Amino acid sequence: AQSVTQLGSHVSVSEGALVLLRCNYSSSVPPYLFWYVQYPNQGLQLLLKYTSAATLVKGINDFEAEFKKSETSFHLTKPSAHMSDAAEYFCAVRPSGNTGKLIFGQGTTLQVKP
Amino acid sequence: EAGVTQFPSHSVIEKGQTVTLRCDPISGHDNLYWYRRVMGKEIKFLLHFVKESKQDESGMPNNRFLAERTGGTYSTLKVQPAELEDSGVYFCASSQDEARGRYNEQFFGPGTRLTVL
Repeated sequence: AQSVTQLGSHVSVSEGALVLLRCNYSSSVPPYLFWYVQYPNQGLQLLLKYTSAATLVKGINDFEAEFKKSETSFHLTKPSAHMSDAAEYFCAVRPSGNTGKLIFGQGTTLQVKP
Repeated sequence: EAGVTQFPSHSVIEKGQTVTLRCDPISGHDNLYWYRRVMGKEIKFLLHFVKESKQDESGMPNNRFLAERTGGTYSTLKVQPAELEDSGVYFCASSQDEARGRYNEQFFGPGTRLTVL
């Protein structure tokens, strides 16, 4: 069965520091991959997606992620954290051939310290 | 354009009672999904509608859960009778038909937090 693993349920960085949120997936065929963010009291918002085009994907708010097939990873990065980045982040996979359902990781809460 | 809306935002019920959650997708979105997040766990898929038809209901936990999408517009998710383990946040999402060129970007609602006591 397909699965997604996010390493670290909580990540804390200082404002201005690099953000790195890790995501590994299990799939024999490269799937579609997504990062979503959830701010308090809001729905999940799509940050970026990989759909078999460029392996380095840029998203909103200067986030980006790199698809590495050899490592089955899709880590999310941002060069410089802002206080407003504090939220919960979810990595998700849509398995190939699937009609659309997403399989999510357990989520990573990002704390940004002043 | 209005986003996906869900009602109620919170619901607290006692074990054995019935609760109905509602989701209004973005207008024109044929695909509607329900997901659930139990505390401390990952968000899990429940089911997928295409218009009024159930495309995939492989994630529905048991027959106490009934989802409907009358007329292919809004959807309801009924839990009857509710059990303690049904507590969690229920998310709804919608997306356009992929033939229109969007790779299944699912737009999520804010969720309904269900607490069963």
